[in-house]
Formats: sequence, C-alpha cells, structure tokens
Amino acid sequence: GAVVSQHPSRVICKSGTSVKIECRSLDFQATTMFWYRQFPKQSLMLMATSNEGSKATYEQGVEKDKFLINHASLTLSTLTVTSAHPEDSSFYICSAGGVLETQYFGPGTRLLVL
Amino acid sequence: DAKTTQPPSMDCAEGRAANLPCNHSTISGNEYVYWYRQIHSQGPQYIIHGLKNNETNEMASLIITEDRKSSTLILPHATLRDTAVYYCIVRVRTGTASKLTFGTGTRLQVTL
Repeated sequence: GAVVSQHPSRVICKSGTSVKIECRSLDFQATTMFWYRQFPKQSLMLMATSNEGSKATYEQGVEKDKFLINHASLTLSTLTVTSAHPEDSSFYICSAGGVLETQYFGPGTRLLVL
Repeated sequence: DAKTTQPPSMDCAEGRAANLPCNHSTISGNEYVYWYRQIHSQGPQYIIHGLKNNETNEMASLIITEDRKSSTLILPHATLRDTAVYYCIVRVRTGTASKLTFGTGTRLQVTL
C-alpha cells in the first residue's frame, strides 16, 4: 500500500506556542489530504480537507484561524496549531488520497500542551 | 454517507478466524463498504473495500450480503498483532478521495 509519513511523531510544547505538523505522501501524489483529531478512547474526527493549491475546507466547529493548513505540493501538507492550549492536546492524524481514491493514513502525531 | 452499526467488542483465539460484522441497512446503490483498522496509538490502516461482490486480499476477506444491508470482515487466521479497533465505513466513490466518517468500530482482542 501507499506510504504516508508524519513528523514529528510526538511533540510537547508550552501553552501559547505554535506547533507545525508535516504530512507527506512518500510514493504517490496526493491531490487531497485530510486532517483528523482523536482524543483518548474516542474515534477519529475529521478537522479539515485540503486540496493541493487551494484553501482547506474546515468541518463545523473547527477554527480555521487556529488550525492553519497548507497544502502547497502534491506530496506535502502541514497543520499548524497556533497559540496551543492544553485542550488542544490530542492525537493528530493525516491521510492522503489521490487517483487511487482509497485514503492512506499517517502514523499520527501526539501533541501535549503544558 | 450511510450509517453503520458494529458490535463494540469481540474476542478471538489466536489462529482462529475472526468474523467482524457490520450492519449498513440504509446503504445506497452507489456506496462502497470500506474496512480500516487502528492498532493502538497508530494511524488507521486500510484493509479492504467492496461494492457487492465478495472480495479477498492478502489481509482479509469481505463478504457482502446479497441485499447489501450487511457485511462481514474475515481475518482467516487471527494473530495477536491483529488486536485493534476495526472500522466499517460506507461511502460513495467519486473518483477522488473524499472524507471518511468513523464510527466507534469494533475492538477486537486476539488472545492466546
């Protein structure tokens, strides 16, 4: 199957700082990337959908000014959590899809905001 | 996309077949059935998908009933590494990737 990587795998930051998470499709071109968030013992919740070269589409209740998404190339999307607070601590997971249509997921990034 | 119903948890002995059911009684004619699994603290892994015919790959088999209102994912010889949460998702294939709506899934515990 197709491979998607995320970096970093885990990050600890102080409240008020910004954190950037990278998502890369390693062996295919991803026209669409998705960002999910998962709190402990809960299912994945979609945050936003990004298409290469255009603005991301955010799900209801997700603040676009807080969760900045950039999808500048067919192999890279970034999620920046701005002014992070403890309630933003979560497991962030990206997925990528292209002409294959099936989505392939990254390994996730665990964010802890102190 | 149609809603799915799965049992919250199941146990399976190692080496035995694990049969995971999914109900999708409101599925429409152009919706496919997808299965993903999530091992603890990892991203979901694609397993298999199908429309109406049974499908098999190196990981699993997917059996879809004739009326398409339910399906079963079969892991023929479960191992401890198959312990995970299994998600059944139905969605329309549009020609491009589109969002997946995850339910609560089935937590499969494979035991010795």
